[in-house]
Amino acid sequence: EDQVTQSPEALRLQEGESSSLNCSYTVSGLRGLFWYRQDPGKGPEFLFTLYSAGEEKEKERLKATLTKKESFLHITAPKPEDSATYLCACGGSNYKLTFGKGTLLTVNP
Amino acid sequence: DSGVTQTPKHLITATGQRVTLRCSPRSGDLSVYWYQQSLDQGLQFLIQYYNGEERAKGNILERFSAQQFPDLHSELNLSSLELGDSALYFCASSVDPSGYQETQYFGPGTRLLVL
Repeated sequence: EDQVTQSPEALRLQEGESSSLNCSYTVSGLRGLFWYRQDPGKGPEFLFTLYSAGEEKEKERLKATLTKKESFLHITAPKPEDSATYLCACGGSNYKLTFGKGTLLTVNP
Repeated sequence: DSGVTQTPKHLITATGQRVTLRCSPRSGDLSVYWYQQSLDQGLQFLIQYYNGEERAKGNILERFSAQQFPDLHSELNLSSLELGDSALYFCASSVDPSGYQETQYFGPGTRLLVL
């Protein structure tokens, strides 16, 4: 059974304090790893797709990286508007996305 | 705005009742996915349809069913509702799930409260 584990469950940062979120996965035949951002009561908003180990993607203050066992979402100099739950999901050989439980990020001004 | 629409936004009903949630995918997307999100379980995949046909099933209860119509919109039917069915229900869509996993774009969700 595919498994995705995210850590930490919650993270509090001061504005400008860089950090990383972790996503560890056990997936049969990885067909893609996805990062989403979710605000309370809203639908997940797509951030990145990574397909192979060594791949990196960047968008504004966010950078996602992928190895054979885990992915990191690096947040550089975060701002309060980056506060959200960040979800990691893996696509396996059965076309299903398996989601982690997310990391709740709070950035204080 | 992802381009995926869901109605209604909120739904309050009683135990034992039946409800229907509706989803319209992004223009051009052939696949529709349904997810349930509760506080303790996170996002759980329920079912996927591709161009009108069921493609994959997840942890969907027998009381739940879905279909995708010729115009590609989809409906999720929940029957004999129980208190534990209270959750956010999301629809997502993608172009075509063949080959690499296609990115799924999520709608705003339907919040279901069963009293």
